[in-house]
Amino acid sequence: GNSVTQMEGPVTLSEEAFLTINCTYTATGYPSLFWYVQYPGEGLQLLLKATKADDKGSNKGFEATYRKETTSFHLEKGSVQVSDSAVYFCALSRRGNTPLVFGKGTRLSVIA
Amino acid sequence: NAGVTQTPKFQVLKTGQSMTLQCAQDMNHEYMSWYRQDPGMGLRLIHYSVGAGITDQGEVPNGYNVSRSTTEDFPLRLLSAAPSQTSVYFCASSYAPGTGLIRADTQYFGPGTRLTVL
Repeated sequence: GNSVTQMEGPVTLSEEAFLTINCTYTATGYPSLFWYVQYPGEGLQLLLKATKADDKGSNKGFEATYRKETTSFHLEKGSVQVSDSAVYFCALSRRGNTPLVFGKGTRLSVIA
Repeated sequence: NAGVTQTPKFQVLKTGQSMTLQCAQDMNHEYMSWYRQDPGMGLRLIHYSVGAGITDQGEVPNGYNVSRSTTEDFPLRLLSAAPSQTSVYFCASSYAPGTGLIRADTQYFGPGTRLTVL
């Protein structure tokens, strides 16, 4: 079946540090891949997405590249800020009547 | 646009009570879904709907009912609440391109309902 595995947290970084959150997936065919972010006390919101191999999604300084050869979609940011503290979810969807499949989430804390 | 709205924000129930969590969206999205979020478990899909009159079960449907009589609304009913249903519940909706291939893409989430069952 379809599944998403992302690195366990929590991740604690100092401000301006480099961030990588690993995400790998298992799916048949060519899924779309997503990163969602959940700020404290809020619902999830889309951070970025990529719909085909080698696509790069980017938003708010975050980037992730769809790597079909390694079935990965790692999230990166060159310089994190305190305001980036949140829980980050990797997810996939496949064509057809199938819902999103989420990873378990990675909590990021950025300290000044 | 209000987006996806959920009511109530907080609710406390006693074991055995029933209630309905409300979800509405004003984006004319065909696809709607309910998730529960528990610590260390991520989001787990309860039920989803690909259009009015059509619903299907997700990963953890037991103890929950849904119906979809309109495009805008997708209520979630707890028939007899149990402590194991203590969780944060999120409703989400998404555009379903009219190509005949309905796809759960770019979901928009509500703010959540925090439910405690005593």
